[in-house]
Amino acid sequence: AQTVTQSQPEMSVQEAETVTLSCTYDTSESDYYLFWYKQPPSRQMILVIRQEAYKQQNATENRFSVNFQKAAKSFSLKISDSQLGDAAMYFCAYRSQVTGTASKLTFGTGTRLQVTL
Amino acid sequence: DTAVSQTPKYLVTQMGNDKSIKCEQNLGHDTMYWYKQDSKKFLKIMFSYNNKELIINETVPNRFSPKSPDKAHLNLHINSLELGDSAVYFCASSPTRRGQSTEAFFGQGTRLTVV
Repeated sequence: AQTVTQSQPEMSVQEAETVTLSCTYDTSESDYYLFWYKQPPSRQMILVIRQEAYKQQNATENRFSVNFQKAAKSFSLKISDSQLGDAAMYFCAYRSQVTGTASKLTFGTGTRLQVTL
Repeated sequence: DTAVSQTPKYLVTQMGNDKSIKCEQNLGHDTMYWYKQDSKKFLKIMFSYNNKELIINETVPNRFSPKSPDKAHLNLHINSLELGDSAVYFCASSPTRRGQSTEAFFGQGTRLTVV
């Protein structure tokens, strides 16, 4: 079974600075997706960024980018120019893409990000 | 123009009662899910349906029964509610690419409180 580990329960960043959230995962599969989701106090789960394992290029979405290291099974999220609205719980998630399997999102335990003035 | 909507948003009920949470998606996705988020914010899959067919049924008490009348709807019925059922329940749906589901789009969650 796949597992996702987020070793930072809480992180803090000053407004306009850059912060990196860590995520590692364990799998024997070669084809999968990785995601970062954001959950603000409103509790809505919002997709931040997606990475397909077969793509070597790191995904980027505006101020959000990932550092995907497939061999190391590492998938960190970098938030640049942090804004107050970035304050939220961030979840790393894994989904198998193995053909014929019923796949599900497996989540890490989350990292709470605080943004200070 | 909500993509995945679930009702109600809040549900407070007494132990022993039976309650339902409804979910609808207008994204045209084939796959829908129920996830449970506990008090420590941990998210875990409960059920997954693909085209109205149950494909994932994790270790969930049989007091929980999902029902999918069509591929746009997935409801969750809970019998004989217990204190430990208090949590936030999320409905989600996924598009399919290359024959596989990809990212999940979540509803706003239902906070269930059993007293």
